Amino acid sequence: EVQLVESGGGLVQPGGSLRLSCAASGFTFSSYDMNWVRQAPGKGLEWVSYITSGSSTTFYADSVKGRFTISRDNAKDSLYLQMNSLRAEDTAVYYCARDGPTYRHWGQGALVTVSS
Amino acid sequence: EIVMTQSPATLSVSPGERVTLSCRASQSVSNNLAWYQQKPGQAPRLLIYGPSTRATGIPARFSGSGSGTEFTLTISSLQSEDFAVYYCQQYNNWPPITFGQGTRLEIK
Repeated sequence: EVQLVESGGGLVQPGGSLRLSCAASGFTFSSYDMNWVRQAPGKGLEWVSYITSGSSTTFYADSVKGRFTISRDNAKDSLYLQMNSLRAEDTAVYYCARDGPTYRHWGQGALVTVSS
Repeated sequence: EIVMTQSPATLSVSPGERVTLSCRASQSVSNNLAWYQQKPGQAPRLLIYGPSTRATGIPARFSGSGSGTEFTLTISSLQSEDFAVYYCQQYNNWPPITFGQGTRLEIK
């Protein structure tokens, strides 16, 4: 069974940093592209970032470009999102999602709250 | 960036009814359109892609159609478990991937 488990969320002050992790199991992680998708409280879905299976290509939404960095460690079956210079508008549940560009498998999400 | 617009924002329907949700793209996305269902406190679930192929395990009462800029998701006979928020997503021209703002199905 495919499982994706996010961790690392929490409360951070504006301008701060946070690193999200997504632990994958139940499939060959190194064979799949991965993504981060977020959802602000009470709002819709927003694609954040994408990384290919071998990390050769990454894409970012304009709203996070230059502040967020997606990465992965295939030896550890893990996906990461390093978030710097956080803003109030980055407050959201962050989901990791497998595949692309349609997402068949999602994690349960990690809540990031940016507030002073 | 392709803007996806869903209508209506909220739909009040009774169990057993047939319902059609609409999604419009600001420019053609060919057949590269997907639908997701999201229930409160849960991650989205892929329902339909391509735009008429049901994902694994999705009941036959869900169907998708359309091409270019106009798409629909039809639920032939609403079950209690279908009351949720539905999102369309284009993947024809990315990045960025873009989603519609969602249609909430609520019980009348």
